[in-house]
Amino acid sequence: EAAVTQSPRSKVAVTGGKVTLSCHQTNNHDYMYWYRQDTGHGLRLIHYSYVADSTEKGDIPDGYKASRPSQENFSLILELASLSQTAVYFCASSDWDSSYEQYFGPGTRLTVL
Amino acid sequence: GEKVEQHESTLSVREGDSAVINCTYTDTASSYFPWYKQEAGKSLHFVIDIRSNVDRKQSQRLIVLLDKKAKRFSLHITATQPEDSAIYFCAASGMNYNQGKLIFGQGTKLSIKP
Repeated sequence: EAAVTQSPRSKVAVTGGKVTLSCHQTNNHDYMYWYRQDTGHGLRLIHYSYVADSTEKGDIPDGYKASRPSQENFSLILELASLSQTAVYFCASSDWDSSYEQYFGPGTRLTVL
Repeated sequence: GEKVEQHESTLSVREGDSAVINCTYTDTASSYFPWYKQEAGKSLHFVIDIRSNVDRKQSQRLIVLLDKKAKRFSLHITATQPEDSAIYFCAASGMNYNQGKLIFGQGTKLSIKP
């Protein structure tokens, strides 16, 4: 079965601090995504990647960076965390070229104080 | 860019009745429309999808209808059961499947009453 894991599962960060969220998939998928979920907004795409060592901006990339060092790993980096970045973050992977289904990780609850 | 609107933020139906969740989209070039389910405190998982070359798809108790002219699609859950209680998200792919990107609606919280 497809597997996407995220770490940490929850985190409290201070305003202005650096936060790194990690995602690991064992699906052998080329595509990986980072979303944030806020109440009333559904999921919004932050960054995505369709090949290692390359990332693309999603719909709300401001304040976030992404890194894809290998096919299996995809990180989301908040260089200067802000209160408005408090949210639940989901990572997902897909094999878009053959199946459009996205497999989601369990999520990371980030609270910025 | 593509926008997806989910019309019902909450929906409550009696167990055994049908539930209908409606979504509209803006990009006429969108060609792929999946639905995802999020149970309380959990992550999302795929439930069903439809592509623009058909207007109806059924998988057991789930039916998806697509009206390309109205840019509207809907999820019908028949003979609802307590385990159907969850938040349901519709999504659309945008033009040319958009490099694997999906645009999600805001979600509909479905409650099944006994």
